Amino acid sequence: QVQLQESGPGLVEPSRTLSLTCTVSGGSISSGSYFWTWIRQPAGKGLEWIGRVNAGGSTNYNPSLKSRVTISVDTSKNQFSLKLSSVTAADTAVYYCARNVNGAFDIWGQGTMVTVSS
Amino acid sequence: QSALTQPASVSGSPGQSITISCTGTSSDVGGYNFVSWYQQHPGKVPKLMIYGVSNRPSGVSNRFSASKSGNTASLTISGLQAEDEADYYCNSYTSSYTYVFGTGTKVTVL
Repeated sequence: QVQLQESGPGLVEPSRTLSLTCTVSGGSISSGSYFWTWIRQPAGKGLEWIGRVNAGGSTNYNPSLKSRVTISVDTSKNQFSLKLSSVTAADTAVYYCARNVNGAFDIWGQGTMVTVSS
Repeated sequence: QSALTQPASVSGSPGQSITISCTGTSSDVGGYNFVSWYQQHPGKVPKLMIYGVSNRPSGVSNRFSASKSGNTASLTISGLQAEDEADYYCNSYTSSYTYVFGTGTKVTVL
């Protein structure tokens, strides 16, 4: 079955760029009419949708983050990535990648904690 | 985009039924049948419980049901069990080709 796994630095300095990768296993990132999504959750707070990409590279972003976010896909590696620039402490959160199908997020990665601190 | 509005907490005794509301606008909940619900136990990954307003994925108990009326979606848990104690989030597609989550509801089993 399809599984997702996030990877990337757990600590990012303020004002720098946060970079995470999600590796898809057990299936091709190019198969089906899927979007591949990033979602985050600060400690003790709710879920926030960050954005999504499909295998063709089409993207949509949360308007509140759009100026700082780039999501891309690498079909040759079966991966998709998140870049969030100019980070502050407010960007400290658990970041999840997930598969988006039929208007829902049916498969999630385990999540990766990212702390913004000097 | 503003988060969908959910009650902060809902509680019930074992065996009872509870309902969680999720209020949005005509640009999200009211405009599309792409409302989904997620269960999250502490420290765990969110789990899809409902998609397409009222559809249960394979493996989700039929004690979970959902519906929508106008700009408000609802999740009902029947025959409440201790294992249902968790946070629940709704989510909707929006007219801006984005998604928005609800504020989250903590369900307590008394």
